[in-house]
Amino acid sequence: GAVVSQHPSRVICKSGTSVKIECRSLDFQATTMFWYRQFPKQSLMLMATSNEGSKATYEQGVEKDKFLINHASLTLSTLTVTSAHPEDSSFYICSARDPGQGGNTEAFFGQGTRLTVV
Amino acid sequence: QKEVEQNSGPLSVPEGAIASLNCTYSDRVSQSFFWYRQYSGKSPELIMSIYSNGDKEDGRFTAQLNKASQYVSLLIRDSQPSDSATYLCAVTGTYKYIFGTGTRLKVLA
Repeated sequence: GAVVSQHPSRVICKSGTSVKIECRSLDFQATTMFWYRQFPKQSLMLMATSNEGSKATYEQGVEKDKFLINHASLTLSTLTVTSAHPEDSSFYICSARDPGQGGNTEAFFGQGTRLTVV
Repeated sequence: QKEVEQNSGPLSVPEGAIASLNCTYSDRVSQSFFWYRQYSGKSPELIMSIYSNGDKEDGRFTAQLNKASQYVSLLIRDSQPSDSATYLCAVTGTYKYIFGTGTRLKVLA
């Protein structure tokens, strides 16, 4: 199956700093990527849909000025957590679907990024 | 009403038994349905996909879909301790990919 690579897998940062997470589709071009956040023992929560060449679509309650998404190419989307605070500590996961396989195919997930803000 | 609903569990079954996981969805135009398995601290991995009514079998796993009842299930035969994980149901609507909250399965040795 298709491969989605996410980096870094773990990051620890100081409160007030910014952290960038990268999501790459390795063997297909992803016009759309999805960013999720998962707190311990909770489900995946969709944060935003990243669209190549245009603005991301954010879910209700997600601050777009805090979680900056850039989808500059067909294989790369980045999520930047700005002015991170301890409550932003979470597991962040990206996913993408291969548009070449039709509109309703499965999503492939990155490995996830464990963010800890101290 | 949540778009995709699952019982959070935990669902405990003895080793060798059949585990039955259920999921309901609210959007009638949903076309594709997926089951993912997620181990703690890891990303979800795809187990099964199903697109039409009926059963679909793959090894020890069987997915069942009933669009009239807006219901999809996953059966795991001969459950093993290694099957202990959280199982996520995912449904595609217009374009979004919506996950249920997941059901935690515990297979007891």
